Amino acid sequence: DAGVTQSPTHLIKTRGQQVTLRCSPKSGHDTVSWYQQALGQGPQFIFQYYEEEERQRGNFPDRFSGHQFPNYSSELNVNALLLGDSALYLCASSFMADNSPLHFGNGTRLTVT
Amino acid sequence: RKEVEQDPGPFNVPEGATVAFNCTYSNSASQSFFWYRQDCRKEPKLLMSVYSSGNEDGRFTAQLNRASQYISLLIRDSKLSDSATYLCVVNRGYSTLTFGKGTMLLVSP
Repeated sequence: DAGVTQSPTHLIKTRGQQVTLRCSPKSGHDTVSWYQQALGQGPQFIFQYYEEEERQRGNFPDRFSGHQFPNYSSELNVNALLLGDSALYLCASSFMADNSPLHFGNGTRLTVT
Repeated sequence: RKEVEQDPGPFNVPEGATVAFNCTYSNSASQSFFWYRQDCRKEPKLLMSVYSSGNEDGRFTAQLNRASQYISLLIRDSKLSDSATYLCVVNRGYSTLTFGKGTMLLVSP
């Protein structure tokens, strides 16, 4: 039973570019959440998708957007990249009905130069 | 005030030592509480949930005091493999988690 999978594992982009990160949830999970973890900090909540809609959002600008597909997989898009967007991006999945702890994927490490 | 605050680290301890991590949270409506462990350049992994009654898993004991909005983690008989960053985590509801900055633990031989 595969856990949460993310792709790619590493990515290098330049300022101003756009990036798309992908996540497949754990089997049986219907909710996907995205977190950003800058170096030396704890993960920060970006947003959460359930039933193909953004349900909760953290304090991130509109440059951060996402999507959830009918198979529950999800994408995180970041436009107009800034140097400060360099971070580990973590995807976590859960089952909305039981409010259980999140299990995270391995993350995508994004470097913006 | 940050929503979740943890002891600044790192904690350097010898093998076999007992170490305690402290955490406070500001949102009294928080619903559930966890400790996650994160190894260098890896994803956070759930260590244990935290309950008001206290819970123990082997060498690890977690405690929650809702009145004081305080969470603790005790590690007994530290092993080299316990070296990691320990993240205090609060669930605001609907599995939206707020993480502390983390406290690094370094266990030396």
